[in-house]
Amino acid sequence: SSELTQDPAVSVALGQTVRITCQGDSLRSYYASWYQQKPGQAPVLVIYGKNNRPSGIPDRFSGSSSGNTASLTITGAQAEDEADYYCNSRDSSGNHLFGGGTKLTVL
Amino acid sequence: QVQLQESGPGLVKPSQTLSLTCTVSGGSISSGSYYWSWIRQPAGKGLEWIGRIYTSGSTNYNPSLKSRVTISVDTSKNQFSLKLSSVTAADTAVYYCAREQMGGYLGYWGQGTLVTVSS
Repeated sequence: SSELTQDPAVSVALGQTVRITCQGDSLRSYYASWYQQKPGQAPVLVIYGKNNRPSGIPDRFSGSSSGNTASLTITGAQAEDEADYYCNSRDSSGNHLFGGGTKLTVL
Repeated sequence: QVQLQESGPGLVKPSQTLSLTCTVSGGSISSGSYYWSWIRQPAGKGLEWIGRIYTSGSTNYNPSLKSRVTISVDTSKNQFSLKLSSVTAADTAVYYCAREQMGGYLGYWGQGTLVTVSS
């Protein structure tokens, strides 16, 4: 199907590790990219490709993929990581898909 | 550093056409292998990809919006534009423009502009 599925909400204790997942058939063929969005702000790219971080993104953010599932892992979550996270991929027609988003709460 | 800025009316009447422009600065819109994209986000909801255009003029549109969407590019003004026809209240959203890098990821985003559809 042409959908990407994310858990609506995830929580993590400060300093602990959290994994946010994204499932969809397109992920078998295309890498996901991941975006962080804080309230009132535009999304920011945090992971792209196999496991690449844009300049300025902390190395506690990492990405991985297996089969139809892509994951964003935050190792040692900080208070400033509390945000909505969206995965994105393409289908074979070049159309983009966004997951429904995961709200991350840092406790 | 590439920057993108959306502009256009913040209020559109139902059944009319929503028109937005994205102005690109810090680089030429026609240089490099990039797609130029539009994404929207209704209040409190997730991101929805609208479509994209290559500088050659080649386009891809979200199938759910394809019948109402036109994306065009004006290289002389370093801008690309979105037109969405026959709008309803469901089209009320923050609209973002973004640059898609080779590999399919959206590396640069505008700050977004709120468009409200209301009479």
